[in-house]
Amino acid sequence: SQTIHQWPATLVQPVGSPLSLECTVEGTSNPNLYWYRQAAGRGLQLLFYSVGIGQISSEVPQNLSASRPQDRQFILSSKKLLLSDSGFYLCAWTRELNEKLFFGSGTQLSVL
Amino acid sequence: KQEVTQIPAALSVPEGENLVLNCSFTDSAIYNLQWFRQDPGKGLTSLLLIQSSQREQTSGRLNASLDKSSGRSTLYIAASQPGDSATYLCGGSNYKLTFGKGTLLTVNP
Repeated sequence: SQTIHQWPATLVQPVGSPLSLECTVEGTSNPNLYWYRQAAGRGLQLLFYSVGIGQISSEVPQNLSASRPQDRQFILSSKKLLLSDSGFYLCAWTRELNEKLFFGSGTQLSVL
Repeated sequence: KQEVTQIPAALSVPEGENLVLNCSFTDSAIYNLQWFRQDPGKGLTSLLLIQSSQREQTSGRLNASLDKSSGRSTLYIAASQPGDSATYLCGGSNYKLTFGKGTLLTVNP
């Protein structure tokens, strides 16, 4: 069966510090991978998606970047965090675009 | 650009009541419509997926319907239980899933 791992669960970082959140999927190959952010009162916002290694599409201009160094690994990064980067970050995957989307357990990021 | 709206934003019902959550979307060119459940501080759990060619899907006490022509989907929960308390989100999918802000459901014992 397929599983998705996301870590850390909670992160508190000072403004201006770097960020690296990692997501891995097990039990499947060539998944479509997504990073979402959920901020209070704003719903789920798609940040990045990837259909293959090294292929990254950005949905919203921002202070963040994403990379996919391996087939089942998706990384969300920032060189310098802003207060506005605080939120609940969720990684997700799907096998095909018309199939169910499965989410990781999320990372609560607080930038202080 | 796809926009998804969920009504109501919050709903409180007594245990045992049947209820309907509503979802509307602006772009009918979707592959599917998905319903999710989210508990506080947790990720989203997939409940039901309705393909664009389908009208409804059922899982246990849950039934979801899709009307592409009107841009609407409903999630029907039968005989609600306190364990159903959570936020319910719908998402319309083409190459990506666009979500509504969710309905916060509270089922009171």
